[in-house]
Amino acid sequence: NAGVTQTPKFQVLKTGQSMTLQCAQDMNHEYMSWYRQDPGMGLRLIHYSVGAGITDQGEVPNGYNVSRSTTEDFPLRLLSAAPSQTSVYFCASSYSIYQPQHFGDGTRLSIL
Amino acid sequence: DQQVKQNSPSLSVQEGRISILNCDYTNSMFDYFLWYKKYPAEGPTFLISISSIKDKNEDGRFTVFLNKSAKHLSLHIVPSQPGDSAVYFCAASAVWGTQGGSEKLVFGKGMKLTVNP
Repeated sequence: NAGVTQTPKFQVLKTGQSMTLQCAQDMNHEYMSWYRQDPGMGLRLIHYSVGAGITDQGEVPNGYNVSRSTTEDFPLRLLSAAPSQTSVYFCASSYSIYQPQHFGDGTRLSIL
Repeated sequence: DQQVKQNSPSLSVQEGRISILNCDYTNSMFDYFLWYKKYPAEGPTFLISISSIKDKNEDGRFTVFLNKSAKHLSLHIVPSQPGDSAVYFCAASAVWGTQGGSEKLVFGKGMKLTVNP
């Protein structure tokens, strides 16, 4: 059972480049979410989805897009990378908001 | 506006003693609370949770207490072990809106626990 799989694990981008962080889960979870972790800031919610075709914004959505075409996948897109988006990104999933979320191991993103 | 607060950034305890981690929240709509543990270079892992209809939940060495009137919860680890050394996050969730249109989990900033042998 793979759980929540995030790819890539590490990435370096130049300012202005775009990229997609991949997240896949094999637990048939309806709820999926993306967080970023910055020093001293904890985990901040970027976007979340309560099911295929439904997404909504979290606390820090600017500069990021998401879509949920299948239950399994929830990619996060950086449209035009900025140094302020240097962070560790975590994807998580659960059956609902009232169930514990399972986290991936993160993607460490550096933007120069 | 920080809705979930972990005011102490770190805690150091001796092996075998009790560790008490505190968390305060401001939004009375929160009705489900969780604690996660995180080791470096790994994703957070779920530790224990509590619903707002309870005031205590135990799982082995871990107990979470909820005081709704004070909007405060705490995690007790007894006895503490060196392997418990990690960053601990408090989190709270609720469903906002009349039709459940917003379902969010809000995390605190985390607290680093060090258990010394």
